[in-house]
Amino acid sequence: NAGVTQTPKFQVLKTGQSMTLQCAQDMNHEYMSWYRQDPGMGLRLIHYSVGAGITDQGEVPNGYNVSRSTTEDFPLRLLSAAPSQTSVYFCASSLTSGSNNEQFFGPGTRLTVL
Amino acid sequence: DQQVKQNSPSLSVQEGRISILNCDYTNSMFDYFLWYKKYPAEGPTFLISISSIKDKNEDGRFTVFLNKSAKHLSLHIVPSQPGDSAVYFCAAVRSGGSNYKLTFGKGTLLTVNP
Repeated sequence: NAGVTQTPKFQVLKTGQSMTLQCAQDMNHEYMSWYRQDPGMGLRLIHYSVGAGITDQGEVPNGYNVSRSTTEDFPLRLLSAAPSQTSVYFCASSLTSGSNNEQFFGPGTRLTVL
Repeated sequence: DQQVKQNSPSLSVQEGRISILNCDYTNSMFDYFLWYKKYPAEGPTFLISISSIKDKNEDGRFTVFLNKSAKHLSLHIVPSQPGDSAVYFCAAVRSGGSNYKLTFGKGTLLTVNP
């Protein structure tokens, strides 16, 4: 199993550009989440999904869109990038929603918006 | 408003000694707590967790203690090893909540010196 994979590893955008951060998992996990980590901050939840076709907003959803057309993939879209979106983005997945069930994280995408 | 607080940005210990990482929380609705470990350029990985119905959970060299009345938990690593050098995040789940909606602290950078 590759686990949770994220592409690209690094990306530089100009203000106003759009892009999609890719996330895929091969563990047949129903639950997937996107977090961002800023310097000196913990990870903050952007969006999450409880299964194909079902998504919802987390703590910091503004400026981001998500969709979940398959169990495996959970892309994060930036429609018009802003410097405030410069961050490291982590995708995570879990088999069940129970608190005691481990979330597996991808290696992250480092995004810089100029 | 930081609901999960890790007030020590960094901690340095000697190999073989005990490492104690602290975490405080303000939301009394949290009932499950987790510690994640993160190496540079990698995603966080689950380390150990504890339910609010317990006051201690042990897994090998790692022990987590929970003091509900003080809203405080700590992670003890004994003995510390150089490979333990990483950022440690404390995270919490609300009562009735789900593992895909974690609230993280800012993290503590642990350095274990040989």
